[in-house]
Amino acid sequence: EPQLVESGGGLVQPGGSLRLSCAVSGFTFSSYWLHWVRQVPGKGLVWVSRINSEGTSTNYADSVKGRFTLSRDNADNTVYLQMSNLRAEDTAIYYCATIGDSAEFDHWGQGTVVTVSS
Amino acid sequence: QSALAQPASVSGSPGQSITISCTGSSTNIGNYNLVSWYQQLPDKAPKLIIYEDSKRPSGVSNRFSGSKAANTASLTISGLQAEDEADYYCCSYAGSRRLWLFGGGTKLTVL
Repeated sequence: EPQLVESGGGLVQPGGSLRLSCAVSGFTFSSYWLHWVRQVPGKGLVWVSRINSEGTSTNYADSVKGRFTLSRDNADNTVYLQMSNLRAEDTAIYYCATIGDSAEFDHWGQGTVVTVSS
Repeated sequence: QSALAQPASVSGSPGQSITISCTGSSTNIGNYNLVSWYQQLPDKAPKLIIYEDSKRPSGVSNRFSGSKAANTASLTISGLQAEDEADYYCCSYAGSRRLWLFGGGTKLTVL
């Protein structure tokens, strides 16, 4: 059973940067695409970004394109979400998740909280 | 406003059945057999309960079932139990431009 553990969240000022990590264990990390999904507390889920298994291809939601960068280290079984030029509307719980063969998010981490505020 | 429309809330009594709808368009739900549903208990991460429109992952109760007609997917929970009280989200793959879309979520209250 895959285990995903996010870290790196915290309080940051508008315009600042933060790097989230998602450490994965329990499966062959290098075979899986990884995604980030965020959730404003009390609100719905929103897909943010994904990276392919080799780390050579990424996609982003329009709301974060140009500000967020997703990368991975297959030797370290970790995915990184570098967030820059943060805005108040980026405040959310950020979850990493694996994707199954039918585009379903089949395993999730526990989430890490990002608060953008002055 | 979410790309997929769900009712904000539904309720039912123990033992009853409820259905949650998820309405999209021909570019997402209606174009792919890739609707998934998630259950989110308070302060917990989402959990996959339905994928590929109507399939259940191993370990998920058969009281949960999914279906789809045209641009609308549905989640039915039969034999409601108190432990089913949670938020439920639908999700659809939406192609190479919009990728994944979620519904706004439905809060299920077991009376």
